[in-house]
Amino acid sequence: AQSVTQLDSQVPVFEEAPVELRCNYSSSVSVYLFWYVQYPNQGLQLLLKYLSGSTLVKGINGFEAEFNKSQTSFHLRKPSVHISDTAEYFCAVSVQGAQKLVFGQGTRLTINP
Amino acid sequence: DSGVTQTPKHLITATGQRVTLRCSPRSGDLSVYWYQQSLDQGLQFLIQYYNGEERAKGNILERFSAQQFPDLHSELNLSSLELGDSALYFCASSVEGGWYVGYNEQFFGPGTRLTVL
Repeated sequence: AQSVTQLDSQVPVFEEAPVELRCNYSSSVSVYLFWYVQYPNQGLQLLLKYLSGSTLVKGINGFEAEFNKSQTSFHLRKPSVHISDTAEYFCAVSVQGAQKLVFGQGTRLTINP
Repeated sequence: DSGVTQTPKHLITATGQRVTLRCSPRSGDLSVYWYQQSLDQGLQFLIQYYNGEERAKGNILERFSAQQFPDLHSELNLSSLELGDSALYFCASSVEGGWYVGYNEQFFGPGTRLTVL
């Protein structure tokens, strides 16, 4: 079975500072990897995805993530955050060939002015 | 706006009751997924339907059931409700949904917040 671990439940950062949200996964088969964002009182929105190819994936709103197969990680980064990035971020995995998503517990990103 | 609609937005009910949550997928999407988001369990996959047929099952309780109708909308039925069923229930849809070596992005609705008192 697949599982996802988000190593930080909360990450506070100052505006315009860089941020990294950590995600590790476990799976015995090939997977697709995703980061979703949930703004307050809203549904989930896809930030970026890794399916294959280049291990550095760029997404919306200036976010990027790097797939590291040897470390089974898919950390999310942004070089300079804004107040509007305040949200909950979820890392997710799906097994190639299946469709359901397995989510991590989420990381609450709080941006301080 | 993802194009996925869910009704109602909020639902407050009592223990032991039964409720039905409704989801309309994006136009053209054949697959519907239900997820539960709670403080205790996080975001969990419940069940998937593809073109009217159940395709995959996750951590769905026996008290819960779902179906997908010919017009492709889906309903999640929750019965004998308990306090612990209070959660945000999300529906998502994608174009495909079968055993498919490829990728179909899931688009999420805004959710139905269920409160059981």
